[in-house]
Amino acid sequence: DAMVIQNPRYQVTQFGKPVTLSCSQTLNHNVMYWYQQKSSQAPKLLFHYYDKDFNNEADTPDNFQSRRPNTSFCFLDIRSPGLGDAAMYLCATRRGGGVTDTQYFGPGTRLTVL
Amino acid sequence: DQQVKQNSPSLSVQEGRISILNCDYTNSMFDYFLWYKKYPAEGPTFLISISSIKDKNEDGRFTVFLNKSAKHLSLHIVPSQPGDSAVYFCAVLKGNAGNMLTFGGGTRLMVKP
Repeated sequence: DAMVIQNPRYQVTQFGKPVTLSCSQTLNHNVMYWYQQKSSQAPKLLFHYYDKDFNNEADTPDNFQSRRPNTSFCFLDIRSPGLGDAAMYLCATRRGGGVTDTQYFGPGTRLTVL
Repeated sequence: DQQVKQNSPSLSVQEGRISILNCDYTNSMFDYFLWYKKYPAEGPTFLISISSIKDKNEDGRFTVFLNKSAKHLSLHIVPSQPGDSAVYFCAVLKGNAGNMLTFGGGTRLMVKP
């Protein structure tokens, strides 16, 4: 049973055309994360929500925004995708409370920018 | 400025032999270390972890070793199985950073039958 679901699995957009990636979870976890992973590189944290509290990494481009309308859903909005934004985008969740709680990852959305 | 490095992008091992994956980190303040495994078209899944107060943690075929003085982490898989073929990421956690994981670049393990 899928616990962290990402839709779509593959997304193609055009240069400059806004795109939204979706993540949902059935775990009722407090924390949700968005990571960007470029080819053969480490996943890089973009931002995370602890409940409704939004935390942006210092080097996350302004082009990237996120919304979390409820516990189950979190969205990644890329306002004006550039060619350099082509990557795998991973969503993860964590129960919260214990700092060493495991993060559970979704399968990722691979974004292609034409 | 890579805080976590996996210097071997790939490793090939014969089935039944030991696989050793290595990871180096730069910040002695890291206090929790993890290994994640990633199959193609799937997200990373948690494999095993170790706290900085320990130097070894074992879970079945998987053992993680921590050498704090060398700032070095390794994952041993024995015996290796073809189903272990995947990309392995080490990750580090600074305890007061809200579970912010910093990942290494990954090592692709291929276990040959």
